[in-house]
Amino acid sequence: AQKVTQAQTEISVVEKEDVTLDCVYETRDTTYYLFWYKQPPSGELVFLIRRNSFDEQNEISGRYSWNFQKSTSSFNFTITASQVVDSAVYFCALSEGLSLNNNAGNMLTFGGGTRLMVKP
Amino acid sequence: DAGVIQSPRHEVTEMGQEVTLRCKPISGHDYLFWYRQTMMRGLELLIYFNNNVPIDDSGMPEDRFSAKMPNASFSTLKIQPSEPRDSAVYFCASSLDVYQPQHFGDGTRLSIL
Repeated sequence: AQKVTQAQTEISVVEKEDVTLDCVYETRDTTYYLFWYKQPPSGELVFLIRRNSFDEQNEISGRYSWNFQKSTSSFNFTITASQVVDSAVYFCALSEGLSLNNNAGNMLTFGGGTRLMVKP
Repeated sequence: DAGVIQSPRHEVTEMGQEVTLRCKPISGHDYLFWYRQTMMRGLELLIYFNNNVPIDDSGMPEDRFSAKMPNASFSTLKIQPSEPRDSAVYFCASSLDVYQPQHFGDGTRLSIL
């Protein structure tokens, strides 16, 4: 079984503050992928990042950074100097059972999401 | 390249009616997924296809739900008969292969009265 937990259901910050969204996952697989998606008020789901289980190197993309720690089964997302446009629901997701040799895998299990509100 | 295209964007209908949601995946993507999003249950995978073949439909809630993918560029999710508890946002997504991220359409907001 796989499970993704986003314990923070809602976070409110003031613009320019840094904010970290937590994600904890459970899996028995050694090969898996972790994802973050953003769902702005308009409703679409926007892919942000993918990380495979063998790559624990942290990643930075502009104001966004991700910290992957297998030891704690966490894949946290930090927004630096938040902006009002960052207001959205953010989802962490897990995909396991991956293999190109069969048709299985690639099924995403999503966490419950964290609603981020950035106030001016 | 165009993204995943879903239609209609909004659907309002009375219970008992048949509802058909449509999806055009990104060209060249081998995998297609249908998800449902509700406040109570969050995002749930309903069914997914690989090369037009249904692989896992364990998430389909009831026999009232059915999905088809007659060709690589088109899929439908049908609910017959519809019920108020089917009201949700339905997303379609596609991916190139098992390792690539899924790209989502804008969703269909379905309201069953």
